[in-house]
Amino acid sequence: DAGVTQSPTHLIKTRGQHVTLRCSPISGHKSVSWYQQVLGQGPQFIFQYYEKEERGRGNFPDRFSARQFPNYSSELNVNALLLGDSALYLCASSSGEGGNEKLFFGSGTQLSVL
Amino acid sequence: RKEVEQDPGPFNVPEGATVAFNCTYSNSASQSFFWYRQDCRKEPKLLMSVYSSGNEDGRFTAQLNRASQYISLLIRDSKLSDSATYLCVVKRGTGGFKTIFGAGTRLFVKA
Repeated sequence: DAGVTQSPTHLIKTRGQHVTLRCSPISGHKSVSWYQQVLGQGPQFIFQYYEKEERGRGNFPDRFSARQFPNYSSELNVNALLLGDSALYLCASSSGEGGNEKLFFGSGTQLSVL
Repeated sequence: RKEVEQDPGPFNVPEGATVAFNCTYSNSASQSFFWYRQDCRKEPKLLMSVYSSGNEDGRFTAQLNRASQYISLLIRDSKLSDSATYLCVVKRGTGGFKTIFGAGTRLFVKA
């Protein structure tokens, strides 16, 4: 069975542009969450979606948005890119939204903003 | 102050050693606790959940002290393959959860 897949794997953008990152969860998983990881730090929670509804949001500006589709795949959008948005963006899926649900991560999208 | 704090290390230990990592969390509403492992330039992977009664998985033992808001991970008989960053993870919320990661503790196991 396929794990969590993310695309693209690498991306280079310039300041002010926008970017869309994509994630396909493990088959049967209904929850997707997004994280930003800067080198040397742990992943920072951005959003959680379950059954196409936003269920949790971290401390990120409104330039960050996301959605989940009927097939449970998800997109993360970032507008007006800043240099500080350069990071590894991780997507994780879980079967449900409960607190004990285990997260399964994709290998991430490395975003570089120049 | 960060919501989940870990000693960043690095911990440099010889093969066969026992090593312990600690983690503290500041939000008493935290409900679920985990240890994840992250290899260099790879995604995090679940190592184990952490329960109040303590739990063990082979060479790994995790403990939770809710009163002190403290989580620990003990690795016995360290292997070279245990070299990685260990992330302490806390979940909190109702009807939707925030997942908070610590910055991680680096472990190097040497022959």
